[in-house]
Parts: sequence; C-alpha cells; structure tokens
Amino acid sequence: DVKVTQSSRYLVKRTGEKVFLECVQDMDHENMFWYRQDPGLGLRLIYFSYDVKMKEKGDIPEGYSVSREKKERFSLILESASTNQTSMYLCASRLSGRGTSNEQFFGPGTRLTVL
Amino acid sequence: AQSVTQLGSHVSVSEGALVLLRCNYSSSVPPYLFWYVQYPNQGLQLLLKYTTGATLVKGINGFEAEFKKSETSFHLTKPSAHMSDAAEYFCAVSEPYTGRRALTFGSGTRLQVQP
Repeated sequence: DVKVTQSSRYLVKRTGEKVFLECVQDMDHENMFWYRQDPGLGLRLIYFSYDVKMKEKGDIPEGYSVSREKKERFSLILESASTNQTSMYLCASRLSGRGTSNEQFFGPGTRLTVL
Repeated sequence: AQSVTQLGSHVSVSEGALVLLRCNYSSSVPPYLFWYVQYPNQGLQLLLKYTTGATLVKGINGFEAEFKKSETSFHLTKPSAHMSDAAEYFCAVSEPYTGRRALTFGSGTRLQVQP
C-alpha cells in the first residue's frame, strides 16, 4: 500500500512565523502535490512537483513556497504565516506517465491554525 | 479549463435508504473521474474511478458511479446507506495525457445518515 505521511496532524503558529509542513511518500512516485482544504471550497491546489527540484504553481500559490530536494519528500513553506492561512493542508502523491490513472494518494492532513 | 460541480453541500438520508450524490463536470477532453471520501480528521481515500471502458464503475463499501458523457455527469450511488457512510465526499476530474497532473475537485458533499 502507498503510504503518504505528514509531519504534524495539528499545528498552531503565530502571525509572521515561518512554517514548514513536511510530506513523505514511500512508493517512489514522481509527482507530489500540496492542497489546502477550506469548508465550502473543496481542495485547492497550491503547488505541485513533477520530479525532484521541479515545481509548478497551482491555483493559489501566493504566500507559499515549496521544496523538493529528494524524490520522497515535498515540503510546503509559509514564509510569514498569516491568519488567512489557517486551514487544513493535504499532501498527495501520484505515479507519473501514460497508462496511469492519475489517481492520487493522500496523507492524513495537517490542520494549521495561525493566531 | 476543467470544473466540477457538486449539487448539495449537505445530504441527509435515513439508514437503509438510497444514497445519491451528484457530480457534474466540464472538460475539453474526455476526462478521468474520481470519487474520494473523507472521514472526520482524516485524509482523502479513493472510493472509485473512471478512466476508460465500462461506464458503470463499482468501488469500495458498496458504492458505484456511472459516467454519462451526454449529461457530463458522474453521480455516486449506494443502494442502502449505513451509519458508517457518514463522511464528506468529493468528486474530482483530471485530463489524461496533459501537463496538468493535478485533480480539480468539487466543493464536497457532506453525507449525514440518520438512524
């Protein structure tokens, strides 16, 4: 079974702090994703990475950056946390290439509160 | 551009009743379609997916969905609801063979099952 883990289930930070959210997958997937989930808005894509050191902006990248130095690890960085970044953050991974179904495997999520 | 519309942010059914969760999509190419379920304080778990072939797709926990191209729909059904089905359900779409490897999600439908 694919396993996607996230470093924290719950996190409380103060406005202006630098925040790191870590995600690790164990199935050698090329593609990894960061989404945020807010009530009534579903999941919105922040960034995705299609391979090591490769990244692309998603639909809502403002205020976020990412890092992918190793294939199994994809980090989301909030350079200066703000209260409007209080949300549930979900990481996912996917096997790349034609013939794959585009199915994504999700981690358990990190609920971040910024005070 | 793709989009997903889930009609009804909240659906309530009685235990043993039919479950019907609606999903309509727009896509410029034949899409891949997914239903995910999210139990409280957990990540997303794949229920079922449609890529090609048979338009009636069976998934886990007795759920199924039918891809209807003419109606651009992918509604999720289950003949008899169980208390354990109470969760939030997300419909998602992706385009195969394109550079955008992420999923586009609907806003979610929270299913409540009454005893």
